Amino acid sequence: DGGITQSPKYLFRKEGQNVTLSCEQNLNHDAMYWYRQDPGQGLRLIYYSQIVNDFQKGDIAEGYSVSREKKESFPLTVTSAQKNPTAFYLCASSIDLFGPYQPQHFGDGTRLSIL
Amino acid sequence: DAKTTQPPSMDCAEGRAANLPCNHSTISGNEYVYWYRQIHSQGPQYIIHGLKNNETNEMASLIITEDRKSSTLILPHATLRDTAVYYCIVNYGGSQGNLIFGKGTKLSVKP
Repeated sequence: DGGITQSPKYLFRKEGQNVTLSCEQNLNHDAMYWYRQDPGQGLRLIYYSQIVNDFQKGDIAEGYSVSREKKESFPLTVTSAQKNPTAFYLCASSIDLFGPYQPQHFGDGTRLSIL
Repeated sequence: DAKTTQPPSMDCAEGRAANLPCNHSTISGNEYVYWYRQIHSQGPQYIIHGLKNNETNEMASLIITEDRKSSTLILPHATLRDTAVYYCIVNYGGSQGNLIFGKGTKLSVKP
């Protein structure tokens, strides 16, 4: 079945370390997104990508970096510069960035905890 | 900030219709209304979207008022598996890049 795979489901890292969250999709979607969710809150957009080798900052990009070398993959690196990285991270994709008729499809998230 | 206002929580009896309201009084002519839901510890799931007309699919119905300042998502026969946070989102139809998910409505379906 087509979908989005995020791994790992739970991730623990020591303070000051960079950590990379994986996101892979086999839906042949052009656009991909990363969101952060804190307890009891909605989702906030970190980065999004319209196409391979292109990506744009969202509302809370500081302390994060991304790459889009392949259409299927959009990894997110949480750097040591991110002041409060403990959160639930969600990856999503859509057929393309523009147009209202293609909903975003989400993975099941990675819960990151900084020790 | 989210352009929508939703009640923080609602209860519904199993088998009954769940009616989830959303206010979007500042919506502009080219903005769509989208609904997603998020079951605990999972990623959000798209439900339905609309511009002006009422819409129905296999999951739900979306009723948009004539002035488009509010809408209602209807789950016709709620089940326990419909317990989730429901997000109403207003977004310019030309771009998916900035869907703003507010806090949503926590719907609890009770037996």
